[in-house]
Amino acid sequence: QLQLQGSGPGLVKPSETLSLTCTVSGGSINTKGFYCAWIRQPPGRGLEWIGTIYYSGTPYYNPSLETRLTMSVDTSRNQFSLKLTSMTAADTAVYYCAALISTDWGSRGFDLWGQGTMVTVS
Amino acid sequence: DIQLTQSPSFLSATVGDRVTITCRASHLISTYLAWYQQKPGKAPKLLIYAASTLQSGVPSRFSGSGSGTEFTLTISSLQPEDFATYYCQQLNSYRITFGQGTRLEIK
Repeated sequence: QLQLQGSGPGLVKPSETLSLTCTVSGGSINTKGFYCAWIRQPPGRGLEWIGTIYYSGTPYYNPSLETRLTMSVDTSRNQFSLKLTSMTAADTAVYYCAALISTDWGSRGFDLWGQGTMVTVS
Repeated sequence: DIQLTQSPSFLSATVGDRVTITCRASHLISTYLAWYQQKPGKAPKLLIYAASTLQSGVPSRFSGSGSGTEFTLTISSLQPEDFATYYCQQLNSYRITFGQGTRLEIK
């Protein structure tokens, strides 16, 4: 079955760029209806949606982050990625990748999740 | 953006209790709402999608209802493994938002 595995650095310096990758195994990301998302959770706090990208590469960003955010899909590697620039302490969080497959956006939830990557800005 | 407000934020209950968590949306979202359960140190787990459809493998004591702006998640008889934090999420648009969470603890 499909699985997600996130990867990236655990420590980033202030003002630097965070780069995270999520690798999909057990199936192809190059599938109609395949949506990938990044969601983060600061320590002790709730979930914040970062952005979603369709398998074809169309991205949708959280307005509060979009000036610093770039998301991409690499179908040849079965991966999707996030780059977040100008990192500050406020970006310290667990970063999750997640996915859903549906040709009717909104009719499903994110049933696939990576394990989460704790990113500390310091 | 669509705001989601969950109530209560904190709930203390006993094994066997029936509990209900409410999620209110700031705009109409039809039934484009999902519910997740999260335990400490773990990724969220999808429980309910399309407001009332039970995700495969989720126990039937979980149920969801609602449409428009008001939604509920009900656990009919709490089990020890149900003590966790619950989040609602709207997918009415591609700009997703989450509720602030409801922490369910053992009384």
